[in-house]
Amino acid sequence: DSGVTQTPKHLITATGQRVTLRCSPRSGDLSVYWYQQSLDQGLQFLIQYYNGEERAKGNILERFSAQQFPDLHSELNLSSLELGDSALYFCASSPGGREGTQYFGPGTRLLVL
Amino acid sequence: GQQLNQSPQSMFIQEGEDVSMNCTSSSIFNTWLWYKQEPGEGPVLLIALYKAGELTSNGRLTAQFGITRKDSFLNISASIPSDVGIYFCAGEVRDNDMRFGAGTRLTVKP
Repeated sequence: DSGVTQTPKHLITATGQRVTLRCSPRSGDLSVYWYQQSLDQGLQFLIQYYNGEERAKGNILERFSAQQFPDLHSELNLSSLELGDSALYFCASSPGGREGTQYFGPGTRLLVL
Repeated sequence: GQQLNQSPQSMFIQEGEDVSMNCTSSSIFNTWLWYKQEPGEGPVLLIALYKAGELTSNGRLTAQFGITRKDSFLNISASIPSDVGIYFCAGEVRDNDMRFGAGTRLTVKP
């Protein structure tokens, strides 16, 4: 158990819909990262937050957005969903600062029908 | 530039054999990490390397941070069926900027 929690574990929705994925980092970690992993693919970095502020952006679509709240949990919002958005979405956290080792949550499996 | 080249892409080995995989880059990294991912699960940190030349073991796993800081390898000795999974390397370019390799898919035949 990495200490990172993600909810929900599974999500099935329809094209055009909007969903919110939630992540709680390890206790004390200030940085949160979001990744997308499509079937049999590697990890695609989406976005990073550090202590509530956006720190880095990867290949995140404009239909996707994220935020980190004062209690350091983070949400990833996916809107106008398309079939190709079906994937595993992982959250990872790290202490931040000079310590960047990332610990991953169990992921949310999103299926868009 | 800062991309990681992980090889091999996949390996099919017999139980008991040793395994070696590596990651290389044309850029210098400050930290190298190795993760294992099992189907439907999140990547789990196996070994973290923080200094050039560092050699670290975790049970049957051994990883090294290359002297040039541009590469790292992971060895698994005496493989067992539960070693099956995808192994990812990750390198930290600068504080909190981590790059991931594409993964090595390991299959172990009993």
